[in-house]
Amino acid sequence: AQRVTQPEKLLSVFKGAPVELKCNYSYSGSPELFWYVQYSRQRLQLLLRHISRESIKGFTADLNKGETSFHLKKPFAQEEDSAMYYCAPVTQGGSEKLVFGKGTKLTVNP
Amino acid sequence: DAMVIQNPRYQVTQFGKPVTLSCSQTLNHNVMYWYQQKSSQAPKLLFHYYDKDFNNEADTPDNFQSRRPNTSFCFLDIRSPGLGDAAMYLCATSSLMTGADNEQFFGPGTRLTVL
Repeated sequence: AQRVTQPEKLLSVFKGAPVELKCNYSYSGSPELFWYVQYSRQRLQLLLRHISRESIKGFTADLNKGETSFHLKKPFAQEEDSAMYYCAPVTQGGSEKLVFGKGTKLTVNP
Repeated sequence: DAMVIQNPRYQVTQFGKPVTLSCSQTLNHNVMYWYQQKSSQAPKLLFHYYDKDFNNEADTPDNFQSRRPNTSFCFLDIRSPGLGDAAMYLCATSSLMTGADNEQFFGPGTRLTVL
C-alpha cells in the first residue's frame, strides 16, 4: 500500500541549530513529493516540491530513492520556522490527489 | 488577490441538523477538494471534483455529500452531523492543465462544532 511516514510528531530545536524533518514513503516508481507548511493561524500552503529542487526560506529537501526518503532540512533554524510540516506525495493512479503524512510540529526556541 | 475563500469560518450546528459549508475560488482551477482535519491530525481527503467529475474517497461516510454548480463554487453538505464530525474542513484547489504541477491552494478552513 502507498504510505508516507513522518516518524516525529514533535521536534524542538534552538534558534540557529540545524533541523531535519524526516519523511519516508513507500511508493513504487517515481513519486512526486511535496512539503506543505501550516504556520499558526494561517492556511496550509506549499513549502517546496521535489521536482524543482529549490530552496525556500532556507529549506531544502532531496528525494533519495534508495532510502525512499524526502527529508526536509535547514542548516540554521529560525523562530519563525515554528509550524506544522506535512510531507505529501501525490498518489499514484490519480495524479491530482495528495496523501498527507501525519505531520511534524516544529518548535524553534529562542 | 486570487484566492480560495471559505464561509463561514466558524459553524455551529446541532446533532443531526443538516449543515452546508461553502468554498469559492478566483483561481479558475479545474480541481476542487474537500478535506477533513481533526485536532492534531493530518488533513484527510473526503472527495474532489475534477471539473464536473465527482470523485469520492472509499472511506468517506455517506453522510457527506458535495456539489459543484460551477467552476468557482463547491459545497460540502453534511446531512446528519454527529459529534464525531466536529473538525476543521479545508477546501483546496489545483490546476491540472498541461505544464502545471499539482500544487494545491488551500482556504482558511471552516471549523465545525456539533452540539
